[in-house]
Amino acid sequence: AQSVTQPDIHITVSEGASLELRCNYSYGATPYLFWYVQSPGQGLQLLLKYFSGDTLVQGIKGFEAEFKRSQSSFNLRKPSVHWSDAAEYFCAVGAGRGSSNTGKLIFGQGTTLQVKP
Amino acid sequence: EPEVTQTPSHQVTQMGQEVILRCVPISNHLYFYWYRQILGQKVEFLVSFYNNEISEKSEIFDDQFSVERPDGSNFTLKIRSTKLEDSAMYFCASSVEDIDTEAFFGQGTRLTVV
Repeated sequence: AQSVTQPDIHITVSEGASLELRCNYSYGATPYLFWYVQSPGQGLQLLLKYFSGDTLVQGIKGFEAEFKRSQSSFNLRKPSVHWSDAAEYFCAVGAGRGSSNTGKLIFGQGTTLQVKP
Repeated sequence: EPEVTQTPSHQVTQMGQEVILRCVPISNHLYFYWYRQILGQKVEFLVSFYNNEISEKSEIFDDQFSVERPDGSNFTLKIRSTKLEDSAMYFCASSVEDIDTEAFFGQGTRLTVV
């Protein structure tokens, strides 16, 4: 069955420290992978996506993610975290019927990031 | 910047009542979606909608749920007879295509059934 796992429910890092949020997926075909962020009272905002090509993808706000097929992972990284990065982060895989990979998303349970001053 | 807007932001309803959640997708988008997130659980896909028809729906989307695009701008989710377990955050999303692009999400409507 298709699934996305984010092993860390809650992570706390100090401002300026590096960050890595883990995501593992289970999907039979070529995965189309996304990271979304949700700040309090806000909707889900796309950080980055992977469809094909270079396995290291760059996103907004200084985030990047690396697709590793052998590990079924799509971990999100940022070299230096800012206090404004405190939010909930969701990894997702596009799992629509046929070739659709955009709207029907299977989400992980999310990782809440807390940033210490 | 264009955005998906949802109203209301919070709705409280009595069990057994009908509720309609409203969404205005981005104007040139053709594909529309509803998701829900029960407190403490994952964001779950409910339904996708294109060309005035449901394209795909999940097991959650049973006969109690319906979607409609009543005019050129709104996209609604109706729950006919709400249950306590329908309490959740409901997200609307839209996309210009359904392949190799991204869905844009609204800020959500928190539905509380009492």
